[in-house]
Amino acid sequence: QQQVKQSPQSLIVQKGGISIINCAYENTAFDYFPWYQQFPGKGPALLIAIRPDVSEKKEGRFTISFNKSAKQFSLHIMDSQPGDSATYFCAASTGAGGTSYGKLTFGQGTILTVHP
Amino acid sequence: DTAVSQTPKYLVTQMGNDKSIKCEQNLGHDTMYWYKQDSKKFLKIMFSYNNKELIINETVPNRFSPKSPDKAHLNLHINSLELGDSAVYFCASSHPGRRGNEQFFGPGTRLTVL
Repeated sequence: QQQVKQSPQSLIVQKGGISIINCAYENTAFDYFPWYQQFPGKGPALLIAIRPDVSEKKEGRFTISFNKSAKQFSLHIMDSQPGDSATYFCAASTGAGGTSYGKLTFGQGTILTVHP
Repeated sequence: DTAVSQTPKYLVTQMGNDKSIKCEQNLGHDTMYWYKQDSKKFLKIMFSYNNKELIINETVPNRFSPKSPDKAHLNLHINSLELGDSAVYFCASSHPGRRGNEQFFGPGTRLTVL
């Protein structure tokens, strides 16, 4: 059962453009929504994360928008750069601040290519 | 000063063999994980250990057996390897409660079963 659905599978953007990746989840118990970035040959690394008590979180050029009622969240990359070319994964888990052991359910991934 | 390390980075073996992948973290985390990334890049959790105790086991075949000798190490042993086991295996670690349980991933082990 796929609990986190991510789209698009791949995305091509020109340098300076905005990249937008969307995710939808089913489990209303999820309370932590991170985005991971993975470069070829490397492990995923946390990029930015949000909890459902806020609707938006911004860190530099990266912004998460969160819509709790729609059970959707998205990653926006402003002023996209060739160095942003990577695979991006959304994820969700429960018990973010407590003693839960953080089982992450990942989306299918989006391969982002930023052309110079 | 590597945070999460895995060995080997590449593993090529024949069907039916038994192999192990080792993982070590020097972050002082209590929880460690094994993930499998298939050819379509889909990441799925396999196991999680907290303080050497198994806490997550995601319907992985019995041929896969994790072992945690201490909380800094989590090894993965695979018996009777099958073609479908070919994938990249990632080890990760975290400390629940810190930064929403941010997980730190190792560089991965690419397993190819011939």
